[in-house]
Amino acid sequence: EADIYQTPRYLVIGTGKKITLECSQTMGHDKMYWYQQDPGMELHLIHYSYGVNSTEKGDLSSESTVSRIRTEHFPLTLESARPSHTSQYLCASSEGFRHTGELFFGEGSRLTVL
Amino acid sequence: GENVEQHPSTLSVQEGDSAVIKCTYSDSASNYFPWYKQELGKGPQLIIDIRSNVGEKKDQRIAVTLNKTAKHFSLHITETQPEDSAVYFCAAKGGNEKLTFGTGTRLTIIP
Repeated sequence: EADIYQTPRYLVIGTGKKITLECSQTMGHDKMYWYQQDPGMELHLIHYSYGVNSTEKGDLSSESTVSRIRTEHFPLTLESARPSHTSQYLCASSEGFRHTGELFFGEGSRLTVL
Repeated sequence: GENVEQHPSTLSVQEGDSAVIKCTYSDSASNYFPWYKQELGKGPQLIIDIRSNVGEKKDQRIAVTLNKTAKHFSLHITETQPEDSAVYFCAAKGGNEKLTFGTGTRLTIIP
C-alpha cells in the first residue's frame, strides 16, 4: 500500500474561490508530482519537485502553483478557480534518480468549479 | 522529448480470453518501461515493468515484451478476469529521467 494521501477527495466550489489541494506522503520520497487527468483519461504532468524548495513546471501549462517546504508535503493552490479548472488532480511521489522511479499515486482530488 | 503512443484506447474482451495493449516510444535512450493500472476512483498503480536489457518479463497472468529495435513494448494479460477491468497506462523513462505516459487503454472484461 502506498502511503500518499490527498485531501479533499471531492470539492465543488464557485468561480473565483481560492483552493488548495493537499498531498502528503510518509515514505520520505524526494520527488513529488502533480498530474491533471481529464475525462479522456490522459495524464498531464503540471508540476514536479525534486526536493525541499525545488519546484518545476510540468509539460502542461497550469495556472496553479505549488510549494515544497517540507519533504512530505506538496500542496497545489489555485488563486482564483474557473470552470476550466474542473478536473481530477493526482499527486504522486517517487524515490530519487538512481532508483527504479516507480511512482506512487494518491487517490486523487476531483475538483468541480461552477 | 519522448513521445509515447498507446493503442487501442478501448478494448473489450470476453472473460478468460487474452488482452494485448501496445505502445511505441520515440527516444532511443529510454531504458525503463512501466505499466500502470488505474481502477475506478483510484490512482494508477504499478503492475509490471521492464528494463531495456530484458526482452520479456512475466508475473503470473501478466507479461510485458520489449522490442528495442522497433521501439515498441506490449502488455499481455492472459485468462482475463472481471477484476482486470480498468484503465492501463504504459510509460517510458527517457535519457532525461522523465517518465512519459501513454494515453491510456480502457479495458473491459465481459463476463
